[in-house]
Amino acid sequence: ETGVTQSPTHLIKTRGQQVTLRCSSQSGHNTVSWYQQALGQGPQFIFQYYREEENGRGNFPPRFSGLQFPNYSSELNVNALELDDSALYLCASSWDHAYEQYFGPGTRLTVT
Amino acid sequence: DAKTTQPTSMDCAEGRAANLPCNHSTISGNEYVYWYRQIHSQGPQYIIHGLKNNETNEMASLIITEDRKSSTLILPHATLRDTAVYYCIVRGTTSGTYKYIFGTGTRLKVLA
Repeated sequence: ETGVTQSPTHLIKTRGQQVTLRCSSQSGHNTVSWYQQALGQGPQFIFQYYREEENGRGNFPPRFSGLQFPNYSSELNVNALELDDSALYLCASSWDHAYEQYFGPGTRLTVT
Repeated sequence: DAKTTQPTSMDCAEGRAANLPCNHSTISGNEYVYWYRQIHSQGPQYIIHGLKNNETNEMASLIITEDRKSSTLILPHATLRDTAVYYCIVRGTTSGTYKYIFGTGTRLKVLA
């Protein structure tokens, strides 16, 4: 059974650019959640997708947006990148939105 | 969302039991306690969860007090590979969204 995978592993972008991060959920999982983890902090919830619909959002501005596809993989898009967006972005999938979440290895984004 | 309080750091001798405490005094009746750990900025790894009964799996045991205001994660025979940041999370639901609110966790160091 393949676990949660994320791509790319690392990414460097310039302030003002746009970025797309990708996540493949674990087989059979229909829910994907995205988190941002700044250095030295715990992960912060960005939003969750359940069966292709957004199912809740944390305290992040609208320039953070996402998608979930029919195969339940997901994308996180961030527009107008700011220096503070530099972080580890984590994706987690679960069998259903009420079940435990399994995290991917993360994408390290650096904004210069 | 209930908040959790954990010690910032702990040391444990290799081969001994590691007991990691967590306070969650504002927990509600339908909120679960989850434990995750994170090694070297990898994705958090699911350990165990419970509602009110004690739980045990191949990784750890979870002891929840009768009033549910605190819990303890027990790693029965700690190894060097258990060195990580351990997060105690109280997971509730807000409008049908099951999200994790991470704190800053306990940095456990297992000593040889």
